Amino acid sequence: DTAVSQTPKYLVTQMGNDKSIKCEQNLGHDTMYWYKQDSKKFLKIMFSYNNKELIINETVPNRFSPKSPDKAHLNLHINSLELGDSAVYFCASSQVMTAGELFFGEGSRLTVL
Amino acid sequence: ELKVEQNPLFLSMQEGKNYTIYCNYSTTSDRLYWYRQDPGKSLESLFVLLSNGAVKQEGRLMASLDTKARLSTLHITAAVHDLSATYFCAPSYGGATNKLIFGTGTLLAVQP
Repeated sequence: DTAVSQTPKYLVTQMGNDKSIKCEQNLGHDTMYWYKQDSKKFLKIMFSYNNKELIINETVPNRFSPKSPDKAHLNLHINSLELGDSAVYFCASSQVMTAGELFFGEGSRLTVL
Repeated sequence: ELKVEQNPLFLSMQEGKNYTIYCNYSTTSDRLYWYRQDPGKSLESLFVLLSNGAVKQEGRLMASLDTKARLSTLHITAAVHDLSATYFCAPSYGGATNKLIFGTGTLLAVQP
């Protein structure tokens, strides 16, 4: 049983297109996150939702829009893709009130041509 | 500006040797996490350090936290090839939001 699963694992697309990444967790956690890892392995937080409420919204272009239909799901939609959006996007979940660690998905590698 | 720096960025060491990775962060945090990432893989949680003076050990790895110095260390004892990976520290901010800010990462290569 995969605890945090992301789909798709790979996306290759042209500049200007729109794409979505989906994330689901079966750990019963109340908080989910999106992180971006660039080519130099630097990890940057983008968004976080707690029980469907947006609680972290870092300085991210508004072409990126997260949505959380319920606390087990967090999706990321990206409009008008740019070359600089190429990265690995990681979804994670945690049970915040227990100060627990984040559990990460396997990542979605996005390549913009 | 919040900064989390790891030292060294790259570490090549021989099997059997000991070494320490340092994690310095610019803004006070009372919680810090260590993660491991293998090439092309996800991040795996290694240690959760929840208070000043916390020390955790698992196998050949030991992590400690000094919140007053804003410093955490990851000590490797008698390294083996299987420990080769990238290691990240991540202090937590934002209280209940548990926003982890990741360090620059340390790429560890253990040579046989």
